[in-house]
Amino acid sequence: KQEVTQIPAALSVPEGENLVLNCSFTDSAIYNLQWFRQDPGKGLTSLLLIQSSQREQTSGRLNASLDKSSGRSTLYIAASQPGDSATYLCAVPPEGGTSYGKLTFGQGTILTVHP
Amino acid sequence: DTGVSQDPRHKITKRGQNVTFRCDPISEHNRLYWYRQTLGQGPEFLTYFQNEAQLEKSRLLSDRFSAERPKGSFSTLEIQRTEQGDSAMYLCASSTVQANTEAFFGQGTRLTVV
Repeated sequence: KQEVTQIPAALSVPEGENLVLNCSFTDSAIYNLQWFRQDPGKGLTSLLLIQSSQREQTSGRLNASLDKSSGRSTLYIAASQPGDSATYLCAVPPEGGTSYGKLTFGQGTILTVHP
Repeated sequence: DTGVSQDPRHKITKRGQNVTFRCDPISEHNRLYWYRQTLGQGPEFLTYFQNEAQLEKSRLLSDRFSAERPKGSFSTLEIQRTEQGDSAMYLCASSTVQANTEAFFGQGTRLTVV
């Protein structure tokens, strides 16, 4: 059974810092990995989807990397801003299947960026 | 705006009452997923549909829960005889059947059972 772990559980940083969020998964036979953002009381916003054949994916100040062999992904946020404050979740679909929307999520990292 | 719409956004109900939530997926998406998220946890998969067929149900989906997608478009999730432990955010997501595509989530329905 796939298990996804995110470290740290919470992170508080001053504005402008570069930061790294970590995600690890137990079953490395994944098709892709998706990073989401969730604001308090809201739904999930997809940030980046990394295919299993890719090692990195970038969108603006966000960069996500994937190392399947070690079962890890990192989300790098450059020049953090208070508006980046949210919970960040990583998720993977089941191995060997085609139901790509049936995701196993980590517990999330709560990020606070203070001015 | 992801395009997945959920209604209502919030629901407060008394224990023992039945509640029904609705999800309208992105129009060209034929897969629709329901998740439940409790405070401080990541979402947990409940069930999913491809068109009108319910293809998988999690063990989390007790017999008090039923989901439908009668015409392969919108879906409903009904909880009968609600319990306080049902209090959670219920999230809906949709996707295509194409390989390696994203799942898009709605804003969720926050259920509080008092």
